[in-house]
Amino acid sequence: KAGVTQTPRYLIKTRGQQVTLSCSPISGHRSVSWYQQTPGQGLQFLFEYFSETQRNKGNFPGRFSGRQFSNSRSEMNVSTLELGDSALYLCASSVSAPQGEQFFGPGTRLTVL
Amino acid sequence: DQQVKQNSPSLSVQEGRISILNCDYTNSMFDYFLWYKKYPAEGPTFLISISSIKDKNEDGRFTVFLNKSAKHLSLHIVPSQPGDSAVYFCAASAVRGTYKYIFGTGTRLKVLA
Repeated sequence: KAGVTQTPRYLIKTRGQQVTLSCSPISGHRSVSWYQQTPGQGLQFLFEYFSETQRNKGNFPGRFSGRQFSNSRSEMNVSTLELGDSALYLCASSVSAPQGEQFFGPGTRLTVL
Repeated sequence: DQQVKQNSPSLSVQEGRISILNCDYTNSMFDYFLWYKKYPAEGPTFLISISSIKDKNEDGRFTVFLNKSAKHLSLHIVPSQPGDSAVYFCAASAVRGTYKYIFGTGTRLKVLA
């Protein structure tokens, strides 16, 4: 079974631009979560989608948004990029059962100049 | 406010000895806890979990202990192997029955051969 894939793996943008990151979950997984990882901050929860609906949201500004498609693939968008948005963005997928293990992708490394 | 804390940023252990990684939390509503391991350039991989109705869960060389009164959990690795060298994250479920996980900042374990 293929794992969680994220594209692109690396991205360089400048302040003020916007960016879209993509995540393809493991086949059959309906829950997709997004996390931001920065040095010293661990993984910060952004949001979780389940069956195309945002089920949970973390404490991030409205510049961070996401969506999920009917095939469970998910995209995350960050508008008006700031230097502090430079981070590793991780996507994780899970089966539909409540709680349990999340399977993470390799992440997208975003650098904002 | 960091609800899940890993106060030791790094830990070094001799091969064959026990590694003990600690995690403290502040939210008494957390009811499900997980440990993940992360190698460089890869996403975190699930190690072991524990529900708040238990105080111990074992899986091979890995054992997680939960002390609800102290709001503390620990991961024991016995015996430690050089391949265990990685960053370890603990995570807690903030919303019952969903995948909104709050992660700690991680502990870098180095197992010395």
